[in-house]
Amino acid sequence: NAGVMQNPRHLVRRRGQEARLRCSPMKGHSHVYWYRQLPEEGLKFMVYLQKENIIDESGMPKERFSAEFPKEGPSILRIQQVVRGDSAAYFCASSPVGEWELFFGEGSRLTVL
Amino acid sequence: GNSVTQMEGPVTLSEEAFLTINCTYTATGYPSLFWYVQYPGEGLQLLLKATKADDKGSNKGFEATYRKETTSFHLEKGSVQVSDSAVYFCALSDQGNQGGKLIFGQGTELSVKP
Repeated sequence: NAGVMQNPRHLVRRRGQEARLRCSPMKGHSHVYWYRQLPEEGLKFMVYLQKENIIDESGMPKERFSAEFPKEGPSILRIQQVVRGDSAAYFCASSPVGEWELFFGEGSRLTVL
Repeated sequence: GNSVTQMEGPVTLSEEAFLTINCTYTATGYPSLFWYVQYPGEGLQLLLKATKADDKGSNKGFEATYRKETTSFHLEKGSVQVSDSAVYFCALSDQGNQGGKLIFGQGTELSVKP
C-alpha cells in the first residue's frame, strides 16, 4: 500500500508566479490535510478536505491560497503570486474516516526567489 | 482554543542517556494525544499515541502517559541512540464544529552524540 504521495518534492518559483502542490492520499483514505512548516517553526494547520468538499480552512491565508480535492485525482494546494514569505515545506496528510491518526507525505519544499 | 506547548530545543544528549521531552496542552473536552517524529528531509511519522486519561503509549522504547490532572504528555526513553536524532512533535486532536484535525507543538530537536 503506497503511502501519501506528494509532488513535486522541490519547487522553485520567482516572486509573482504560481505554485501548485499535489497530494495523493493513501488508498482508502478520504480525508486530506495540508500543513505548512516554516523554518524554525512547527507545523501549522492550513486546510482539511474531503472529496469535493472543504471541511475546515481556518488556517488558510485569506488571499492567494486555495485548495481542492476533486472527485478524481489528487488534492491540489495552489498559491498565486508567490512571495518570499511563502517559502516553506508544505506537508500533506491523509486519514481514513473516523480515525485521528494522520499519515504524512514527505513534503513539498517551496523556495521563492 | 486548543494548543500544545513543548520544551524548547535543541536537546543534546550522549548515547545511552535518559530522555525527557516535556509536552503540555490546553484543550476543552478529552482529546487524543500523539507524538510524531520527523527525521531530516522526511515527513512526520507517528511514534505513539494515547486516547484517554492514564493511557500509556509506547513504541521503539519511547513512552508517554496521558496525564489529565497535569495536562501533560511527556515523552521518555531510557537509553537513547544516535539513530534517535530527529525532531519530535507533540500533538492533540481538535474536534471542532468544522470537523477534526491535529494541532502540533513547535517541535523539539534531539541530537544524540556517540
